[in-house]
Amino acid sequence: GQQLNQSPQSMFIQEGEDVSMNCTSSSIFNTWLWYKQDPGEGPVLLIALYKAGELTSNGRLTAQFGITRKDSFLNISASIPSDVGIYFCAGQPWTGANNLFFGTGTRLTVIP
Amino acid sequence: DGGITQSPKYLFRKEGQNVTLSCEQNLNHDAMYWYRQDPGQGLRLIYYSQIVNDFQKGDIAEGYSVSREKKESFPLTVTSAQKNPTAFYLCASSIGVRAGEQETQYFGPGTRLLVL
Repeated sequence: GQQLNQSPQSMFIQEGEDVSMNCTSSSIFNTWLWYKQDPGEGPVLLIALYKAGELTSNGRLTAQFGITRKDSFLNISASIPSDVGIYFCAGQPWTGANNLFFGTGTRLTVIP
Repeated sequence: DGGITQSPKYLFRKEGQNVTLSCEQNLNHDAMYWYRQDPGQGLRLIYYSQIVNDFQKGDIAEGYSVSREKKESFPLTVTSAQKNPTAFYLCASSIGVRAGEQETQYFGPGTRLLVL
């Protein structure tokens, strides 16, 4: 199955800094999802995007559905230590598709 | 509370043994999924079920089996044919695919399977 290109693979940042990560695909997607996974736990849904160009916020998190429908971005502002974890993007290739394609994850480390 | 539960949290398998991982959801979701996660990799789909008594193979179904006798439950059996079963297994569910709807999957807490 297809996997999405997610970058960067890992990030080390100081507490208080902003973070940006992105996900790209060679084909069009109709839904983009962003998840956070803590060690030993299941991924938790952060933001869901359903429309090209859509910009959605959830607290300090902001995600955008790229206008080309082939990419998505997640930004975290003013990072805090509990932001540490692995962030995954996922995409649904077409409406009615019963599967998601996942990125390989961005591992975020926040230095206090 | 509504959600997805997986048990056990940790599971040990001996050589040649079949083991079954449990997944239950009370979200009234039609669709359920099993994924495998290896270190440093994304999630890979093992099996999925869109409706009771029906399921489909995902990308890495060999060595695994599932059943979907109830809407709430989607157990995964890791058989002795799976030669490299050590991984983190995640169950997910979604409302289900209907015409014109977009998919959002919600995950359980996972089961870590280790081979003795």
